[in-house]
Amino acid sequence: EDKVVQSPLSLVVHEGDTVTLNCSYEVTNFRSLLWYKQEKKAPTFLFMLTSSGIEKKSGRLSSILDKKELFSILNITATQTGDSAIYLCAVVPNQAGTALIFGKGTTLSVSS
Amino acid sequence: GAVVSQHPSWVICKSGTSVKIECRSLDFQATTMFWYRQFPKQSLMLMATSNEGSKATYEQGVEKDKFLINHASLTLSTLTVTSAHPEDSSFYICSARLLEQFFGPGTRLTVL
Repeated sequence: EDKVVQSPLSLVVHEGDTVTLNCSYEVTNFRSLLWYKQEKKAPTFLFMLTSSGIEKKSGRLSSILDKKELFSILNITATQTGDSAIYLCAVVPNQAGTALIFGKGTTLSVSS
Repeated sequence: GAVVSQHPSWVICKSGTSVKIECRSLDFQATTMFWYRQFPKQSLMLMATSNEGSKATYEQGVEKDKFLINHASLTLSTLTVTSAHPEDSSFYICSARLLEQFFGPGTRLTVL
């Protein structure tokens, strides 16, 4: 059965800290991996990763995929209270018209 | 990026009534849309895959007679929660997929 596992489930850090969120997967017919940030409403898109070893970067956030070891990490440097959210990892199957396979998410709380 | 809208954002209804939620893709055509449900502090749970012009595909454990899905056009899918009960209170999110998956802002349903 396909699955996506995120760790840790929950994390509390101080402002300014750097955090690394993990996502491992076992999915047949892998196409790509997505990271989302969810605050009070629906998830907002962060990154799409398709190729191994190529870092995607957006401001203080970065992410990389390892298709050999079947995992991805999301890094957030110099965290701010506004980074507090649930971070969701999802795998896109290669089959057209199929839904994403979500992990349970990592809840990040950044205290000032 | 692509935009998906949902209406209404929030609805409160009495037990036993039916509630319709609309999901629209605003700037692209979506032959497939997805409906998710999210309970507090949990990840998104896929309810069903909505296919334009054909019957929706429901996930195991989701009652198709209770959660009616109609995907009548390439830009609109509707989810009707029939005879809603308090346990149906949840956050309902729709999405449509191009390369990545775009989410609507969600509909918070509260059944009294």
